[in-house]
Amino acid sequence: GENVEQHPSTLSVQEGDSAVIKCTYSDSASNYFPWYKQELGKRPQLIIDIRSNVGEKKDQRIAVTLNKTAKHFSLHITETQPEDSAVYFCAASRNTGFQKLVFGTGTRLLVSP
Amino acid sequence: NAGVTQTPKFQVLKTGQSMTLQCAQDMNHNSMYWYRQDPGMGLRLIYYSASEGTTDKGEVPNGYNVSRLNKREFSLRLESAAPSQTSVYFCASSARSGTSTDTQYFGPGTRLTVL
Repeated sequence: GENVEQHPSTLSVQEGDSAVIKCTYSDSASNYFPWYKQELGKRPQLIIDIRSNVGEKKDQRIAVTLNKTAKHFSLHITETQPEDSAVYFCAASRNTGFQKLVFGTGTRLLVSP
Repeated sequence: NAGVTQTPKFQVLKTGQSMTLQCAQDMNHNSMYWYRQDPGMGLRLIYYSASEGTTDKGEVPNGYNVSRLNKREFSLRLESAAPSQTSVYFCASSARSGTSTDTQYFGPGTRLTVL
């Protein structure tokens, strides 16, 4: 089955710096790659997603890139702010006609003022 | 519009006790899911329901059962709780079945401790 690996497990940056989180997946049939943000004690919430027919997607300060050949995708956060501090999860879903997300193990991002 | 709701928020059980976690959504979504979240392991799918009347096993189904009571409600039952089931449980829903590219919306979670 699908396996999603996520790195790094923790990431500390200064406010205003950029942050990059990387994920690799094993199943070449995966076609949907969402990123979720989970603040401490809260529920995961979708922040951005990308489909396999797209190489890059941006939404204000966040962007996701996908390399299907290498089977990896990355989350980029620019101009980080303290409120970006959270755990970020990547996930992948295979094109089976139904969504079964396989999640990475998460990255704890700490943005220091 | 409350989205996805879960009860209870916290629960402590003794080994061997049973309980049911409740989940409901008011977004008229077709698909519903149960996940568990453990430190360092991300979210793992326990069971899912692609549409009303159907349920299927996910990645870690052992020790659990589910019921899709109607389109709104999807419950998770632990028949004989074990300490290994100590975790945070999240319910989620998505609008459509028959697609792999839909947004999942999560409930607030239930923190379960089994002594």
